[in-house]
Amino acid sequence: DAGVIQSPRHEVTEMGQEVTLRCKPISGHDYLFWYRQTMMRGLELLIYFNNNVPIDDSGMPEDRFSAKMPNASFSTLKIQPSEPRDSAVYFCASNGRPNQPQHFGDGTRLSIL
Amino acid sequence: AQKITQTQPGMFVQEKEAVTLDCTYDTSDQSYGLFWYKQPSSGEMIFLIYQGSYDEQNATEGRYSLNFQKARKSANLVISASQLGDSAMYFCAMREGIGGSNYKLTFGKGTLLTVNP
Repeated sequence: DAGVIQSPRHEVTEMGQEVTLRCKPISGHDYLFWYRQTMMRGLELLIYFNNNVPIDDSGMPEDRFSAKMPNASFSTLKIQPSEPRDSAVYFCASNGRPNQPQHFGDGTRLSIL
Repeated sequence: AQKITQTQPGMFVQEKEAVTLDCTYDTSDQSYGLFWYKQPSSGEMIFLIYQGSYDEQNATEGRYSLNFQKARKSANLVISASQLGDSAMYFCAMREGIGGSNYKLTFGKGTLLTVNP
């Protein structure tokens, strides 16, 4: 079975540019999560969806960040405008049943210059 | 208060020896789950093992076992017969209210394990 698929794997862009990260969850998983990982703050949950509906976006740092899930097989995390402090690894994960683990994608390493 | 505490920022172990990575947690829920993930230097997050709060037996998966002490609120990961490929960051995580609708995981800060040849 295919795992969680994220794209791009690496993104380098200049401050002020719009950045879009993409995620395809595991088929049949109803829950999708976006995380950000930095050395300083560790692994932070940004937002998660259930059946394409955002359930908890309390971790989204500010209005520059937005996430959508237009259908069960696709989600985006958008940063506009991007800032150097947004540089991090962004993970997408999906989940089936609650006693089953979240499965993570390989992450997108984002660098904002 | 932190919900997941991993007190060992770094650990060293000799190849073929066993190592225990500590994790303590804080919750008032009766129903919760504990997870361990491995993150090698390549960056991906790999699920290792799961323990439910109502599970009577300690979880085991190959060389990984979980030393679950509910009264002490600890869920230590034991890796037996360490291999060089076990060198990685290890994260403990908890999901509270596992019988309900909460699917959020809270992660600890991780322990960096280095296996020496």
